[in-house]
Amino acid sequence: AQRVTQPEKLLSVFKGAPVELKCNYSYSGSPELFWYVQYSRQRLQLLLRHISRESIKGFTADLNKGETSFHLKKPFAQEEDSAMYYCALNTGGFKTIFGAGTRLFVKA
Amino acid sequence: DAMVIQNPRYQVTQFGKPVTLSCSQTLNHNVMYWYQQKSSQAPKLLFHYYDKDFNNEADTPDNFQSRRPNTSFCFLDIRSPGLGDAAMYLCATSGRGEGGDQPQHFGDGTRLSIL
Repeated sequence: AQRVTQPEKLLSVFKGAPVELKCNYSYSGSPELFWYVQYSRQRLQLLLRHISRESIKGFTADLNKGETSFHLKKPFAQEEDSAMYYCALNTGGFKTIFGAGTRLFVKA
Repeated sequence: DAMVIQNPRYQVTQFGKPVTLSCSQTLNHNVMYWYQQKSSQAPKLLFHYYDKDFNNEADTPDNFQSRRPNTSFCFLDIRSPGLGDAAMYLCATSGRGEGGDQPQHFGDGTRLSIL
């Protein structure tokens, strides 16, 4: 079955510390992977997608097909990064499967 | 700003009383989606429209219906809401593409409560 797993419901780090939000997926084909973010009192929005291979707000994510992972990383967390982060998998059709999300809290 | 707008932000209805949630978009996207999100859970796709083609997810209850009268508007109808249907309902759109690999643009959501 196709599935997205975000093992941490809550991740708390200090400002300036590195952060890694984990995402593992289950899919045997070629996945399209996304990270979406929801800041407080804002709508869910795209943060980055793996095919773009770009850094957004200092965040990067590398697709590791061997480990079926797409972890989101940032070397130095900032307070404004505090938000809910969702990893999402598209398998080629119109269905996108979301993980349950990880709430990132960056402490001053 | 081009965007996805959901009305109302909060909706309260009675058990068994039909309710309609609305979504409009100014992005001129051809795909519109409805998701249900319960507390601390992932958004779950209910159905989507690709232009006028309606696609229901296999596990979406029959109680849930949708209408898309034109490109800009899409409605979610819940015929007989039960207590288990209390949730946040998210509308999203995505642009032209052969598959669903285009990023989705979300509305603010409608939080539905059932009395």
